[in-house]
This record gives sequence, C-alpha cells and structure tokens, in this order.
Amino acid sequence: GAVVSQHPSRVICKSGTSVKIECRSLDFQATTMFWYRQFPKQSLMLMATSNEGSKATYEQGVEKDKFLINHASLTLSTLTVTSAHPEDSSFYICSAIRGDLHEQYFGPGTRLTVT
Amino acid sequence: AQSVTQLDSHVSVSEGTPVLLRCNYSSSYSPSLFWYVQHPNKGLQLLLKYTSAATLVKGINGFEAEFKKSETSFHLTKPSAHMSDAAEYFCVVIFTGNQFYFGTGTSLTVIP
Repeated sequence: GAVVSQHPSRVICKSGTSVKIECRSLDFQATTMFWYRQFPKQSLMLMATSNEGSKATYEQGVEKDKFLINHASLTLSTLTVTSAHPEDSSFYICSAIRGDLHEQYFGPGTRLTVT
Repeated sequence: AQSVTQLDSHVSVSEGTPVLLRCNYSSSYSPSLFWYVQHPNKGLQLLLKYTSAATLVKGINGFEAEFKKSETSFHLTKPSAHMSDAAEYFCVVIFTGNQFYFGTGTSLTVIP
C-alpha cells in the first residue's frame, strides 16, 4: 500500500508552452501533498505544500504564478509549469501524506526538459 | 537554528564491506529522523525512521541506523554492501513545527 504515482515520467516541451504534471495517491487519501524540485546531484527543494480544497502554500522564492498547483481531490494534485523556460528544466517530485508527516510517500518523479 | 548535515557528499566502498553514511542534526529537541534512498531518476524510498521509540532502528535491505541524542547523530549502516545499494541517500528530519529538512545527500558507490 501507500503508492504515489506521477504522470508523465518524462516530458519535453518547447519554451513558452505550459506543462501539467499529475501526482496521485493510488491507495490512500492525502489531504496534503508536497511538490519538490531537484537539480542534478542536489537535494530536494520544497516548492509548495498542496492542501486539498485550499490554496497551495509556496516556499519563499517560488513563483506561484509560474508554478500553479491544484489539489482538486484527496487523491490528485497537479503542478502546471506555465510559460516554461529552459531554466525550468528539472526533476519534479511529489509526495503525499497519509495521516501525519511521518507517513510521507514519494512519487517516482517527472523529468521536465524545456527546449 | 535547526539543520541537517550529511557529512560526506560521496562514499565509495567495495562490495561486501560495511557501509557508513553519516548524518548529524542541530536542534534543542529530539526530532523524528528518516533515511531515504533514491536510485537514478527515481523517487525516494523510505529505508527506515526513528520516532522516539527504540534508538536502534532496523530498515529494509539490511540497513539500520542508531539515534544518538548525545551526539545528535543518526548514522546509517549496513554490514555488507551490495552492488544494488549504489544510490543517493538522504537524511531527513522533522523538527518541531512539522517542517521537513532534507540533508544534502550522500552518493554511495559500490565497487565490485
């Protein structure tokens, strides 16, 4: 149990276009999901906290108008990278909380490449 | 200030030899501590966690970690490295206030 999926696993898009990444908790309900960004050979950087039915909370320095987060249901959160640029290329990982923070399950990640 | 430090950015061991990945934290309180493993282009998998129960925690794949409050450490060990252990390892801490803190990661290389 406690599986989190992400779709797509890889995406290549042209500069200026928007890309949507889905994060799903497959076998549990998650009132809270997190979105992280990871640069090569670096740790995860928390971008935002996504709460079902309310606005996401963004970390300092993360542009909320660029990285749109929607947590429409207890099993789905989406991250939309709007007007993507090459510097947005990165590995994006989501996680879902089952119960409390000690039960955090990570998705497999999405590799975004902006050309 | 609260922080997590992984002392080694890279560790290299021979197959069959012990593994030691170090993690220290800075806090006035006893936190919850986790070790996660990440294989290339994959998400994070929980290896083990300490949440104020037994100080020696056993995890998956033969890994274990010991919480030492006096040393503010939570080092990850394995008696005998396997080739499949080659990956990135992250020490993660929850301090009061329910915030996650990620260490910078340790890349483990296993030499055949």
